[in-house]
Amino acid sequence: GEDVEQSLFLSVREGDSSVINCTYTDSSSTYLYWYKQEPGAGLQLLTYIFSNMDMKQDQRLTVLLNKKDKHLSLRIADTQTGDSAIYFCAERAGGYQKVTFGTGTKLQVIP
Amino acid sequence: SAVISQKPSRDICQRGTSLTIQCQVDSQVTMMFWYRQQPGQSLTLIATANQGSEATYESGFVIDKFPISRPNLTFSTLTVSNMSPEDSSIYLCSVEDDRAYAGYTFGSGTRLTVV
Repeated sequence: GEDVEQSLFLSVREGDSSVINCTYTDSSSTYLYWYKQEPGAGLQLLTYIFSNMDMKQDQRLTVLLNKKDKHLSLRIADTQTGDSAIYFCAERAGGYQKVTFGTGTKLQVIP
Repeated sequence: SAVISQKPSRDICQRGTSLTIQCQVDSQVTMMFWYRQQPGQSLTLIATANQGSEATYESGFVIDKFPISRPNLTFSTLTVSNMSPEDSSIYLCSVEDDRAYAGYTFGSGTRLTVV
């Protein structure tokens, strides 16, 4: 079955870059996602990448995908205190609608 | 993308009672999904709710414990029955974004505490 893993915690200083990493096991993944969950809120889709891409940039966010190693990362440039949240990576396997979520990484931004 | 209104946002319930969570979507959707997020953990899919048919439950979840209704294409409820403290979690409903590649849109969640 699918398995998506992330490190649990990351602490960075305001203004630095944050890099959140994710590994997955399903080689048939077609879409990979990054979601943000702020305290007391639902999940907000930040960005997505197709499995046939290796990079996607969207303003301060850069997603890198290494299909060979099944590794996905999210880089947040110039991290702000408002970026403090839990970040989930997720994958969707080809042909299925089910999305598997990672364990979540709690990002703490120190002023 | 769709906008989902979920309520209640939080509740504290006595063990042995039941709580019904409601989700209203501002557009018609074929499938709605219910997730559980236990404290400090990721999201686990409970079931998929289709309008006009019984919900499809994932392994480890049963209809008697988590009955789901889907009376129309914009509304669904999830009931957590005969609650115990182990049911304390955040429950989230979601729908697939109308751009299929864009993943899911989530409600704001229901934080349930069972005492």
